[in-house]
Amino acid sequence: GAVVSQHPSWVICKSGTSVKIECRSLDFQATTMFWYRQFPKQSLMLMATSNEGSKATYEQGVEKDKFLINHASLTLSTLTVTSAHPEDSSFYICSAQIPGGSTEAFFGQGTRLTVV
Amino acid sequence: GEDVEQSLFLSVREGDSSVINCTYTDSSSTYLYWYKQEPGAGLQLLTYIFSNMDMKQDQRLTVLLNKKDKHLSLRIADTQTGDSAIYFCAESNNNDMRFGAGTRLTVKP
Repeated sequence: GAVVSQHPSWVICKSGTSVKIECRSLDFQATTMFWYRQFPKQSLMLMATSNEGSKATYEQGVEKDKFLINHASLTLSTLTVTSAHPEDSSFYICSAQIPGGSTEAFFGQGTRLTVV
Repeated sequence: GEDVEQSLFLSVREGDSSVINCTYTDSSSTYLYWYKQEPGAGLQLLTYIFSNMDMKQDQRLTVLLNKKDKHLSLRIADTQTGDSAIYFCAESNNNDMRFGAGTRLTVKP
C-alpha cells in the first residue's frame, strides 16, 4: 500500500537552532499533507495544512514564522522548527491522502524532537 | 511493528446507530483516540479513552475498549448526515502514536 515516510524519527538539538522534518509520499502524489503535533500525554493537534505550490494554512495559535512549512513538490513537504526552544519539544507527525476522495490516510512514522 | 487496523467503509441510514471498530497490537498503549476528518480538513479529536477504562460516553458518542482483545469501538447514536466523514482511531504509548487508515462513514437519508 501507499507509504508516507517521515525523517528523521528523532532529533535532539540545542536551543536556538533550527530543525527540518521531511514528509515524503513514496508511491503517490499528495497535493495536500497535514502536520500535527502531540504534547506529552495529550492528543494530536493539527498545526497546518500543507498545499503543494501554495502557502500552508495554519491553525489558530500556530506561529507560521516559527513553524515553516514548504510543500515544494507533490511528494515532499517539510516542516522547519526555527529557533527551537525546549517548549517546542514534542512529537510531530505528518499525514497525506491520495487525491480523489480516497478513504485511506497515510501517516508518517513521526518525529520526536527534543530541544535541550 | 505495531499496527492499528480498521475497516475502510461503513454505510448507515440517518437515525440509526453507527459502530466503527478498530483493533491494535501495542500492549503498552496508554491512550486511545477517535478522530474525525471532514472533506479537505485535518483531523479533529472527537474523544479519547485512557487504557484503564472500558467505556466512555460523551453525548451521542460511546467508546468501548476491550483491552484484553485490543479492540476499540466508537458508537454514534442517532447518526446524522453531518456525521458523514472519515473516522480514525489511534493509540499512543506516550512515546509515539499510531493511526488506523480511517473508516469512511456514509450516512444515507
